Amino acid sequence: QVQLQEWGPGLVKPSETLSLTCTVSGGSISNSPYYWAWIRQPPGKGLEWIGSIYYTGNTQYNASLTSRLVISVDTSKNQVSLRLSSVTAADTAVYYCARHMGGYFRVPFDHWGQGTLVTVSS
Amino acid sequence: DIVMTQSPEFLAVSLGERATINCKSSQSVYYSSPNKNYLAWYQQKPGHPPKLLIYWASTRESGVPDRFSGSGSGTDFTLTISNLQAEDVAVYYCQQYYSTPPGFNFGPGTKVEIK
Repeated sequence: QVQLQEWGPGLVKPSETLSLTCTVSGGSISNSPYYWAWIRQPPGKGLEWIGSIYYTGNTQYNASLTSRLVISVDTSKNQVSLRLSSVTAADTAVYYCARHMGGYFRVPFDHWGQGTLVTVSS
Repeated sequence: DIVMTQSPEFLAVSLGERATINCKSSQSVYYSSPNKNYLAWYQQKPGHPPKLLIYWASTRESGVPDRFSGSGSGTDFTLTISNLQAEDVAVYYCQQYYSTPPGFNFGPGTKVEIK
């Protein structure tokens, strides 16, 4: 059973870069053709898709975040990473790593990490 | 950009009764080929990530109790929880995956409580 675990700093200063990593266990990213996504949820609010990456490195980003966003994959470490630059308080959220179901892109997310809270504050 | 709306925002239902949640998309999420509605439902309990319940508007995810059912087509969808149980207290989100980019838009959520 695949498991996802997000980790990274819980506090980031405004204008700096938010960096998170998702470690995938229970299967090799390089051997399983799935898309992996980042999704966030501001405290008490709804869900926002940030972007996704295929195991080959092909990415799709939310257009509202493209200019600040880089998602990458390290198949040797079975990890997916997120970097979001020039953060503001509006980027404060629980950040989730998730897997697209079935190896396709335009499908829902069937496995999720527990999420990690990132607060943007000086 | 497809906008997802849900109603009601809050829903209080007695144990054993039926809960009905509505989701509307600003444009159709139905594709004639492959004859599917690109609509999913998730359940999120406090302090937990969302859990996929329903996809393709009406297909139940493996392990999801059969008291959860999805229906609808085009722009109007419904999640029904029959015989509501205490463990069903949660926020329920619909999500479209028809139009990507720009993104996998979620509805604002419906909070279900016990009356």
